[in-house]
Amino acid sequence: GIQVEQSPPDLILQEGANSTLRCNFSDSVNNLQWFHQNPWGQLINLFYIPSGTKQNGRLSATTVATERYSLLYISSSQTTDSGVYFCAGATGANNLFFGTGTRLTVIP
Amino acid sequence: DTEVTQTPKHLVMGMTNKKSLKCEQHMGHRAMYWYKQKAKKPPELMFVYSYEKLSINESVPSRFSPECPNSSLLNLHLHALQPEDSALYLCASSRSVGVGEQYFGPGTRLTVT
Repeated sequence: GIQVEQSPPDLILQEGANSTLRCNFSDSVNNLQWFHQNPWGQLINLFYIPSGTKQNGRLSATTVATERYSLLYISSSQTTDSGVYFCAGATGANNLFFGTGTRLTVIP
Repeated sequence: DTEVTQTPKHLVMGMTNKKSLKCEQHMGHRAMYWYKQKAKKPPELMFVYSYEKLSINESVPSRFSPECPNSSLLNLHLHALQPEDSALYLCASSRSVGVGEQYFGPGTRLTVT
């Protein structure tokens, strides 16, 4: 399977700050998702973004498929943004492989 | 509706017990998945069902036995588990394997005593 590297592993932000999370893939992917796992364990879909740029409120994501990376931008962070952010990708008709996650803590 | 439901939310079982986890989706998805997640780790794939047939078993011990009674339901039967099997068990579904978004249920937090 593909290797997925996420950075940074941990991030502490003051409320209102902006941040960028990165995901690198060892191979080209045709399926790429970003998730937020809340403290109760629920994995919430943020973006399905095999290529291009998408925005949803304070969050946006960009995937550069030819260079095998994706970025998640969080602007004006809030305490409710705390949790673990995972990216996951798949090649062909294969299953998703998850990165090791970025643990985000937003302090008031 | 993009909801995947799982029951129970929490489960405590002894090593000699038999229990089952249940997962349901009504999105018409034909791929369903079981993942296991330990604390501070990413989800690890256990099983994949494609069109109600088991298509991937990631070398999971036989004390975990999956079942897909129909296209909307997925069960995970548990028997003679070990304390190290304590984890969050997540169910997911997608249009087909590797195609489209994968949606996750809220998980079952399992403790084996």
